[in-house]
Amino acid sequence: KNQVEQSPQSLIILEGKNCTLQCNYTVSPFSNLRWYKQDTGRGPVSLTIMTFSENTKSNGRYTATLDADTKQSSLHITASQLSDSASYICVVSDRGSTLGRLYFGRGTQLTVWP
Amino acid sequence: EADIYQTPRYLVIGTGKKITLECSQTMGHDKMYWYQQDPGMELHLIHYSYGVNSTEKGDLSSESTVSRIRTEHFPLTLESARPSHTSQYLCASSEYRGLPPYEQYFGPGTRLTVT
Repeated sequence: KNQVEQSPQSLIILEGKNCTLQCNYTVSPFSNLRWYKQDTGRGPVSLTIMTFSENTKSNGRYTATLDADTKQSSLHITASQLSDSASYICVVSDRGSTLGRLYFGRGTQLTVWP
Repeated sequence: EADIYQTPRYLVIGTGKKITLECSQTMGHDKMYWYQQDPGMELHLIHYSYGVNSTEKGDLSSESTVSRIRTEHFPLTLESARPSHTSQYLCASSEYRGLPPYEQYFGPGTRLTVT
């Protein structure tokens, strides 16, 4: 069964600290992996998209890594800010159809305290 | 900020009412989607469309219906709302041409509460 599992479920860190969120997936055949940021009461916003051949991608203070062999990804946030408080969702797309189906994780709820 | 809009943002209605959730995008995207999301849970695809006059059911069974008469507009309708329909509904759109991956852009969502 194709699944996306994220850990931890929730995380609290102090402003200025770094953190790493984890994503494990069993989706096959793999096409790409995405990380989204979802603020409370808003729609998800894309942070990164990585294909099979990419093992790291950055977007400002966000750096995603992908190990397609172990089917693991991580999202590293550097020098956290209060505005980073949100849910971070890992999404994996398969190649089973022309357009690719998306499998969503439940997200990691990050809270940044001052 | 993506050019995709949803109205209303919040809706509280009584059981048995008919409702329509609006979604529109100005990016000219062919493919549009509706997702349902409960607190702390993953998004579930309930409907999608490849383009005008195309609608398909998603992975999660839903009593809602959709229509795609214009490229930019993808409304979702519930003929008779029930408390079990209480949820957040997210609309999204994406390109459908060229090489994947196709970025999906999400609207702000409609929080529906049926009493």
